[in-house]
Amino acid sequence: TQLLEQSPQFLSIQEGENLTVYCNSSSVFSSLQWYRQEPGEGPVLLVTVVTGGEVKKLKRLTFQFGDARKDSSLHITAAQPGDTGLYLCAGLNSGGSNYKLTFGKGTLLTVNP
Amino acid sequence: NAGVTQTPKFQVLKTGQSMTLQCAQDMNHEYMSWYRQDPGMGLRLIHYSVGAGITDQGEVPNGYNVSRSTTEDFPLRLLSAAPSQTSVYFCASRYLGTDYGYTFGSGTRLTVV
Repeated sequence: TQLLEQSPQFLSIQEGENLTVYCNSSSVFSSLQWYRQEPGEGPVLLVTVVTGGEVKKLKRLTFQFGDARKDSSLHITAAQPGDTGLYLCAGLNSGGSNYKLTFGKGTLLTVNP
Repeated sequence: NAGVTQTPKFQVLKTGQSMTLQCAQDMNHEYMSWYRQDPGMGLRLIHYSVGAGITDQGEVPNGYNVSRSTTEDFPLRLLSAAPSQTSVYFCASRYLGTDYGYTFGSGTRLTVV
């Protein structure tokens, strides 16, 4: 079973602060995805990273895939209350069947006004 | 609007009752899956399908059945509900391939008493 460890588990910050969330594994993934989930809703895909070392930006969010494709990070610049939510990373198996996504347990982010 | 439609939104069952959670998508996605989300446990894969007529077990399949007679529909059946099946259930679909992320439904909150 491939495991994804996310840290921190909880994060409470003030509006305007920067933050980084980490997603780590001992396994190699074909690709890694980040989702945001708001209360009462399903997760929504933010980004998919495929190439080792890849960096993608989505407005104030910067996603990076590790060179060895075992880890990823999400950096938010100048956080806003609208960024509040559960951030989930998910990895796609690199060997055998590439159908199943493995999810981390998430980072619950609260941005206070 | 295109997406994944789950019904019902909320359900209360008595122990031993059976029911079917419905899931439909209109994006012609090959891959469909069911997850359950529990506090502290993250998203856990119950069953998945890579196409009509093909299903397979995920991480926590016991007590659940699925079928995939069409590309669009992927119902989840609880055979004899137990309190341990109290959870939030999400259906998700995507195209096969490493670059594609999930589209999730809005979830079914199930309580078994």
